[in-house]
Amino acid sequence: AQRVTQPEKLLSVFKGAPVELKCNYSYSGSPELFWYVQYSRQRLQLLLRHISRESIKGFTADLNKGETSFHLKKPFAQEEDSAMYYCALSYSGTYKYIFGTGTRLKVLA
Amino acid sequence: ETGVTQSPTHLIKTRGQQVTLRCSSQSGHNTVSWYQQALGQGPQFIFQYYREEENGRGNFPPRFSGLQFPNYSSELNVNALELDDSALYLCASSPGLAGVHFEQFFGPGTRLTVL
Repeated sequence: AQRVTQPEKLLSVFKGAPVELKCNYSYSGSPELFWYVQYSRQRLQLLLRHISRESIKGFTADLNKGETSFHLKKPFAQEEDSAMYYCALSYSGTYKYIFGTGTRLKVLA
Repeated sequence: ETGVTQSPTHLIKTRGQQVTLRCSSQSGHNTVSWYQQALGQGPQFIFQYYREEENGRGNFPPRFSGLQFPNYSSELNVNALELDDSALYLCASSPGLAGVHFEQFFGPGTRLTVL
């Protein structure tokens, strides 16, 4: 069955430290992977998608099919990065999305 | 440009009742998806409507049903409410079938409490 796992419920880092939010998935085909973010009192919004290979707000994520991972990384965390982050998988031909349980990132001053 | 709106904001129902939640999609969007988000969980896909037809459904029983109207707004109906239906219900719209090519834009959600 398709599944997205985010092993950390909470990740606390100091400002300026590197950040890595982990995401592992299980899917036998070609997945489409996304990171969504929800800042305090705001709506859930797309942060980035693997097919774009873009960097948004300094965040990047590389799809590793061998390790079935799509970890989100940022070299230097900022306080405004504090938010809830969800990894999501969409599998081809269905347009269904599977979200992970989310990781709350707290960036400490 | 108006974003995705949902009504009502909060709702309290009792077990066995029926509920209708509403969603207005963002201007120019013809696709609406509904999600259920229980406390401490990620959003769970319920179904997606594209041009007034259901296109994709998650693992939800038939008592969860929906509609999409010609103006692309949508309703989520839940019959025979159960305590476990208590959750935040999110609506998301996109300019085409949501996937790699079309970004989903989420509404603020409707918080449903079933007593």
